[in-house]
Amino acid sequence: DTEVTQTPKHLVMGMTNKKSLKCEQHMGHRAMYWYKQKAKKPPELMFVYSYEKLSINESVPSRFSPECPNSSLLNLHLHALQPEDSALYLCASSQWFPNYGYTFGSGTRLTVV
Amino acid sequence: TQLLEQSPQFLSIQEGENLTVYCNSSSVFSSLQWYRQEPGEGPVLLVTVVTGGEVKKLKRLTFQFGDARKDSSLHITAAQPGDTGLYLCAVFSGNTGKLIFGQGTTLQVKP
Repeated sequence: DTEVTQTPKHLVMGMTNKKSLKCEQHMGHRAMYWYKQKAKKPPELMFVYSYEKLSINESVPSRFSPECPNSSLLNLHLHALQPEDSALYLCASSQWFPNYGYTFGSGTRLTVV
Repeated sequence: TQLLEQSPQFLSIQEGENLTVYCNSSSVFSSLQWYRQEPGEGPVLLVTVVTGGEVKKLKRLTFQFGDARKDSSLHITAAQPGDTGLYLCAVFSGNTGKLIFGQGTTLQVKP
């Protein structure tokens, strides 16, 4: 299995809703990441998990709450989002060595209404 | 200021043409990666270059790492419509695992 699986693929939520994005990998990677990508822009890092511990939070607002229940799963809990949070949310995983590349999922297209 | 400056930002060409995308920085890197992202998908790793002056080929794509390991280029020969997408160069920030991307080059290849 060489994939990162993200669900759902599309999500529309209201500003008062609570929802979660899910990410799963079975490649034995010990680093997992959440990125946010706006149209025609590069991905921007949100969070890094290393060995299931949060190692980097790029000053992301608290309405985004990451969780790593085990080495294969990564969640992003969403609450009270704003319309400007609408974007493609990408999950990625990698070996914990700098020269190895990331494997990205296909992303969740989030629309906040 | 951006750590990685990519140029051009947009490129629209006809099938069969050649093109080069550049990724420049004033910093020295131990390695540099190129990704391609198709619409509605996540980025896919194309190549990692680690040695100054290194040239790697992937079918019609040729990647070069500058001698001083500050810049890189991607050359596509005889572009095909299937090459359409967003091309991103990227480097790791220290030992954090954090991958930093250039602004990207959006390539459109018309049949």
